[in-house]
Amino acid sequence: DGGITQSPKYLFRKEGQNVTLSCEQNLNHDAMYWYRQDPGQGLRLIYYSQIVNDFQKGDIAEGYSVSREKKESFPLTVTSAQKNPTAFYLCASRRDETGRGGYTFGSGTRLTVV
Amino acid sequence: GQQVMQIPQYQHVQEGEDFTTYCNSSTTLSNIQWYKQRPGGHPVFLIQLVKSGEVKKQKRLTFQFGEAKKNSSLHITATQTTDVGTYFCVYFNDNAGNMLTFGGGTRLMVKP
Repeated sequence: DGGITQSPKYLFRKEGQNVTLSCEQNLNHDAMYWYRQDPGQGLRLIYYSQIVNDFQKGDIAEGYSVSREKKESFPLTVTSAQKNPTAFYLCASRRDETGRGGYTFGSGTRLTVV
Repeated sequence: GQQVMQIPQYQHVQEGEDFTTYCNSSTTLSNIQWYKQRPGGHPVFLIQLVKSGEVKKQKRLTFQFGEAKKNSSLHITATQTTDVGTYFCVYFNDNAGNMLTFGGGTRLMVKP
């Protein structure tokens, strides 16, 4: 079955550490997105990529970095510069060419700073 | 940037009662998408509305887009415990990288 795989499901980070969240899709979608969700809140856009080797900052990009070397993969690095990284991170891809058919989300990674 | 406001933030209903969540924008929207997120899960696409005054139904769910394309609603008839979750209205911005702008969501809780 096609879909988006995020790993790990749970991640614990020490203060000052960088961590990388994985997002892999086999849907052959061009565009991929990273969102952050805090408890009881909606989703906020961190970064997005419409094609390989290109990505753009979203609303809350500070303290995060991404790469898009392959169409299937869009990893997110949470750097030590992100002061409040504890959150639920969701990766998504666009379902069709125009984006109007809805987005497919992965199951998410819950990151906790310890 | 474009914002969509959603009310209420929380809603408790008895199983069998109806439920409605409302989404409002200060500017005209080209479209509205609706997603459902179960507790601990990820958002799942339900539907997209693009036409003024559009009404779409999915079993017990009725989605409506306002005539002025500034508001939308989701109505659930005779709620069931399986309806529990957070419902988000989402604006798909096709002028800015096809980004999604999420409303704050309405969390629905259903008492059996």
